[in-house]
Amino acid sequence: GENVEQHPSTLSVQEGDSAVIKCTYSDSASNYFPWYKQELGKGPQLIIDIRSNVGEKKDQRIAVTLNKTAKHFSLHITETQPEDSAVYFCAAKGAISGGYNKLIFGAGTRLAVHP
Amino acid sequence: DGGITQSPKYLFRKEGQNVTLSCEQNLNHDAMYWYRQDPGQGLRLIYYSQIVNDFQKGDIAEGYSVSREKKESFPLTVTSAQKNPTAFYLCATSWTAEAFFGQGTRLTVV
Repeated sequence: GENVEQHPSTLSVQEGDSAVIKCTYSDSASNYFPWYKQELGKGPQLIIDIRSNVGEKKDQRIAVTLNKTAKHFSLHITETQPEDSAVYFCAAKGAISGGYNKLIFGAGTRLAVHP
Repeated sequence: DGGITQSPKYLFRKEGQNVTLSCEQNLNHDAMYWYRQDPGQGLRLIYYSQIVNDFQKGDIAEGYSVSREKKESFPLTVTSAQKNPTAFYLCATSWTAEAFFGQGTRLTVV
């Protein structure tokens, strides 16, 4: 079935360093790839997304890249700050099946940014 | 968040009890979803609804029930048939591709 694998499960960096989180998806029909940030005790918030007709998208310190051939996409955070510490989830949405195109989530990456 | 209200924030259930989690939205989104989140795992889809008076089972619907009588509301009932209900429950809505989440309800069986 459809699957999204996310690595690493935990990531620890020093403030100012870059952080990279990678995801691989199984459904070649997937066409939308969002990234969510979840702080402790809160719901996930969409931070950036990319569609299958685009290879890269940037928003200030955050960027996402997509390699459709290899079926993987990555989140890049530059100049990390302590407030970037959270759990990050990737997801992939495939083609419509049964009237609904399901969002499949990765297992999450716990990012810790140390001052 | 910012238009999706989940209540209560914390909920305690005794074994054998049914409990209902509330989700209300003022975003005018057609689609609404319930996800379950367990430690170290991604979000798993319980139920979804694309339109009023219609809903579909997700990947882990057993032991749960929903209703969608109004566009704004999508309550989730955790029944006694759900053997391991302790988890963080998230409601979400969407209009196009993007999904927006509420702040969650943490359910604990005592």
